[in-house]
Amino acid sequence: EAQVTQNPRYLITVTGKKLTVTCSQNMNHEYMSWYRQDPGLGLRQIYYSMNVEVTDKGDVPEGYKVSRKEKRNFPLILESPSPNQTSLYFCASSLDYSYEQYFGPGTRLTVT
Amino acid sequence: EDQVTQSPEALRLQEGESSSLNCSYTVSGLRGLFWYRQDPGKGPEFLFTLYSAGEEKEKERLKATLTKKESFLHITAPKPEDSATYLCAVRGSSNTGKLIFGQGTTLQVKP
Repeated sequence: EAQVTQNPRYLITVTGKKLTVTCSQNMNHEYMSWYRQDPGLGLRQIYYSMNVEVTDKGDVPEGYKVSRKEKRNFPLILESPSPNQTSLYFCASSLDYSYEQYFGPGTRLTVT
Repeated sequence: EDQVTQSPEALRLQEGESSSLNCSYTVSGLRGLFWYRQDPGKGPEFLFTLYSAGEEKEKERLKATLTKKESFLHITAPKPEDSATYLCAVRGSSNTGKLIFGQGTTLQVKP
């Protein structure tokens, strides 16, 4: 089944403890992206990747890192999480940047 | 700066009562306007892509249209299962990797 998977789905952590949210797609898509969704603010793009080893900032990249070492995986790294990074995170992928994106199921992160 | 505004924020309809959702956008060189549906606790699900003014696309009870400044999502004779949040997003020519979303319209259809 063609899909985007994210792990973990739920995470509660403490301020400053490094964490990684994994994202994987099995559709051989070139483009991948991370978003956060907050009430009243909608979906905001954090980082995107046009292809392997090519990443760029979205609208809210501060406090996040990404890497794209292989086509199928695009992990989101929070080196030192803070409470304002408590949010619902979505990973998405598409054939290339011009096509519609397919979203993962989401990761709900709480930083205390 | 690319921007997307959706209205209304929330909409309540009776089953069978047709209506439209609006997505107003400002973007330098539209490279695609996307409509998504999002159910509570789930990721957005793709509905339509529109590329140029005058373009229309249909799927079951939904029809999306596009002008140079806005897009409409028309819902004809909605059913309770159409209840969801509908999201609009645009991609512009100034940064083709970026996708800018509106805040969404939450639709509730009562039986």
